[in-house]
Formats: sequence, C-alpha cells, structure tokens
Amino acid sequence: EPEVTQTPSHQVTQMGQEVILRCVPISNHLYFYWYRQILGQKVEFLVSFYNNEISEKSEIFDDQFSVERPDGSNFTLKIRSTKLEDSAMYFCASTGHGAVGEKLFFGSGTQLSVL
Amino acid sequence: AQTVTQSQPEMSVQEAETVTLSCTYDTSESDYYLFWYKQPPSRQMILVIRQEAYKQQNATENRFSVNFQKAAKSFSLKISDSQLGDAAMYFCAYRSSGTYKYIFGTGTRLKVLA
Repeated sequence: EPEVTQTPSHQVTQMGQEVILRCVPISNHLYFYWYRQILGQKVEFLVSFYNNEISEKSEIFDDQFSVERPDGSNFTLKIRSTKLEDSAMYFCASTGHGAVGEKLFFGSGTQLSVL
Repeated sequence: AQTVTQSQPEMSVQEAETVTLSCTYDTSESDYYLFWYKQPPSRQMILVIRQEAYKQQNATENRFSVNFQKAAKSFSLKISDSQLGDAAMYFCAYRSSGTYKYIFGTGTRLKVLA
C-alpha cells in the first residue's frame, strides 16, 4: 500500500526555536492534514490543506504555525517559536479526493520534544 | 459542534475472546462517516473499519464489525477471536460532508491477555 512519509522521526529543540516538520504525502493525493497527539491524549486536528491553501484550521493552529507545499511533493509544518506545550507527536495525513468516506492515510509521525 | 466520545479509557480481553469498544458522537448533520482507527505501539494510525451514516447494514471487515445505532448516535466496534496483535489504542473518528476535518475521540487502550 502507498505510504505517507514523515521526517524526522524525532526532533528535539529548545524553547523559542523554529522547527519544520516534513511530510511527503501519497503522490496522487490532493488533500493534506496535520494532526498532533500529546502523549496519552487524543489525536487533535490542526489544519487541512487543498489546492495550495488552508481549507480549515483549528484554534490550536495560531500565528505560530504555518504550512506549505513548496515543491508539489513535500508538505511542511512550521512552528515559528516553539513552546514547551508544543511537545507532541505530529502526524501528517492525506486523502485522494476529499470525499467524506475516504480513509486518512497517516504517516508514522514526528515526535517533537521542546526543552 | 461535532464531538466524539469514548468512555472506556482501557479494556482487556482474553485471547480468542470477543470484546466491544464503545463510541458515541454528537452531530446535527445527516451525511457523515464514522471510522475506527487502530494505533499500535509504533503509533502509526491504521484504518480498521468505516461506516456510512446512510447505510443501515453494519460494516464488517473479517474479525472486526460495528454496531451502528444512528438514532442513539452510537458506533461500537466488536473484535471477535481477539489476537495478541490486536493490542493497541483504538480511536473512533467522525467526518461529515460539510468539512474536511476528521474528529477523533480520546481513544480506548485494548490489552489482549494470553
């Protein structure tokens, strides 16, 4: 089965630093997502992205966050100035056509630790 | 706002036995899908099964089946003949036609006892 690829698998950063989390969605997919999961807690929606723009975002996705699809294959999440509470597993996901019944294909996640 | 609730933080089942994980949701939408995702220790989320709200027949995928009660807004997952490899976190999820957002519950950790 095709896979969503995320790099790095682990990222450690100092509070206040910028981080970029990278994802390569499945090649013919059109809808892209970032979710995060604080350890032991639920999977929280951050943002959805289609046609080179954000289609929806959550309250968590404030001005410190941004997403980009710089080259038609990569999909990145940037956190401008990390906080301790940004420590979480960040999942990238994609779907093909955005249909309501489509399954989300998830990457294996990037564990972000903010010290 | 739509919400998904999983009231069982943890469940245990003996190998080869059957277990049911509960999920309730709240929505005023009529066109939606419900999903169960499995998150093993590797933490990559995998789709287990999905159900369209318009279908009265409960979805089944091998040992996995759902009990979808639309009026009660309930969507439980039944795992038959439980195997050690079923041990994981299970998340119920919802998506309606008016949004691209999938909403997840808080998860149920399933332990399978040998």
